[in-house]
Amino acid sequence: EPEVTQTPSHQVTQMGQEVILRCVPISNHLYFYWYRQILGQKVEFLVSFYNNEISEKSEIFDDQFSVERPDGSNFTLKIRSTKLEDSAMYFCASSEGGVMYGYTFGSGTRLTVV
Amino acid sequence: GQQLNQSPQSMFIQEGEDVSMNCTSSSIFNTWLWYKQDPGEGPVLLIALYKAGELTSNGRLTAQFGITRKDSFLNISASIPSDVGIYFCAGQRTGQNFVFGPGTRLSVLP
Repeated sequence: EPEVTQTPSHQVTQMGQEVILRCVPISNHLYFYWYRQILGQKVEFLVSFYNNEISEKSEIFDDQFSVERPDGSNFTLKIRSTKLEDSAMYFCASSEGGVMYGYTFGSGTRLTVV
Repeated sequence: GQQLNQSPQSMFIQEGEDVSMNCTSSSIFNTWLWYKQDPGEGPVLLIALYKAGELTSNGRLTAQFGITRKDSFLNISASIPSDVGIYFCAGQRTGQNFVFGPGTRLSVLP
C-alpha cells in the first residue's frame, strides 16, 4: 500500500540552528500538509500546499517556517532558527483530492531542540 | 479558532467489551474523520463521514456523523488488545483544513 515517507525519524538540534524535515508524499497525490504534535497533545495544522504554493497556513506557521517542493517527489519543512518550543513530532500528510479524501500521514519526525 | 472536544479523555476497558467515544464542537462541520494513532506513529485514517446522519462501518468500528453536524461518534465492538492507542477525530468546514480533537486514549486490559 502506498505510504508517505518521512526522514529523519528523529532529529536533535541546538537552539538557533536551522533544520529541514523531509517528506516523500504518495506519488499521485496533489495536496500536501505539515502538522505537528507536541508530546501528549493534539495534532495541530501548520500548512497546506497545492500547485507549488501555500494554500493555507496556521498562526503557528510564522516567518521561521517555510515549505518547498524542490523536485517532483520531495516536500520539505524548514525551520530557520529553532526554539525549544519547536520540539514536537512533525507529520507530513498528502491527499489525492482534498475534501473528498482523508489524509495519509507519514510516521513523523521527532524534533528535539536542546 | 475552531475547537473540537473529545470524550472521554481516556478509558480502560476489558478485552471483549464495546467502546464508545464522541467528538463535539460548537461549530458545524461538513466532514468528519476518525484516526487512530499508535505510539511513535502518524495517525491512520479509520473512517470518513460526509453527510449528516451517515453511519459507516469499517470492520468492528462504526462511526456516525451527528444530525446537528456538530458531533460525531465512534464505536468499537468486541475490543482486542491491538485496539490500544489514541483515537482522534478531525473535522473540516468547507474550504478549510481539518482540525483535530485532543484525542481519546484507549487502554485494553486482557
